[in-house]
Amino acid sequence: EVQLVESGGGLVQPGGSLRLSCAASGFTFNSFAMTWVRQAPGKGLEWVSSIHHNGETTYYTDSAKGRFTISRDISKNTLYLQMNSLRVDDTALYYCAKSAMANMNMYFDNWGQGTLVTVSS
Amino acid sequence: EIVLTQSPATLSLSPGERATLSCRASQSVSIYVAWYQQKPGQAPRLLIYDTSNRATGIPARFSGSGSGTEFTLTISSLEPEDFAVYYCQQRQHWPPLTFGGGTRVEIK
Repeated sequence: EVQLVESGGGLVQPGGSLRLSCAASGFTFNSFAMTWVRQAPGKGLEWVSSIHHNGETTYYTDSAKGRFTISRDISKNTLYLQMNSLRVDDTALYYCAKSAMANMNMYFDNWGQGTLVTVSS
Repeated sequence: EIVLTQSPATLSLSPGERATLSCRASQSVSIYVAWYQQKPGQAPRLLIYDTSNRATGIPARFSGSGSGTEFTLTISSLEPEDFAVYYCQQRQHWPPLTFGGGTRVEIK
């Protein structure tokens, strides 16, 4: 059974940093692209960042470029999102999601339960 | 950036009725659209990919159709567990991947 377990969220002041983690199990982690999607309270889904199965290529939404860094540790089966210079509008539930197929098809068949990031002074 | 516009925002129906949800893309995305279901307090669940393919374990009452800029998710006969929010998503032109704003299917 595929499991994705996020952690690392919390309350942070504007300008602060957080590192989110997503522990993956139940599938061959280094065969699938991984993605972070966020959902602001009461709002819809917003793609944040994706990383190739081998970790060599990364993609970001414009608002995350230069502030967020996605990475993966294959030895630990873990996906990360380093978030710096956080802003109030980064407040959201952050989900990690697994690509549905072993290529960059970018549909998501498994999601974690999410970790809540709150940016507030 | 591809903008996906979902309509209606809210659909009020009774169990057993047919639900028809629309997703319109700002430019052609070929067939590369997926649909997700999200219930309160839960992560999204993949229902349909590449317009019309049901994901693993998805009941046959869910079907998808369309191409280019117009896509439809149909629930043939609503079950109590189908009342939720539904999102479309495109993968034809990315980054950025984009989602629609969602359609809430509520009990009438």
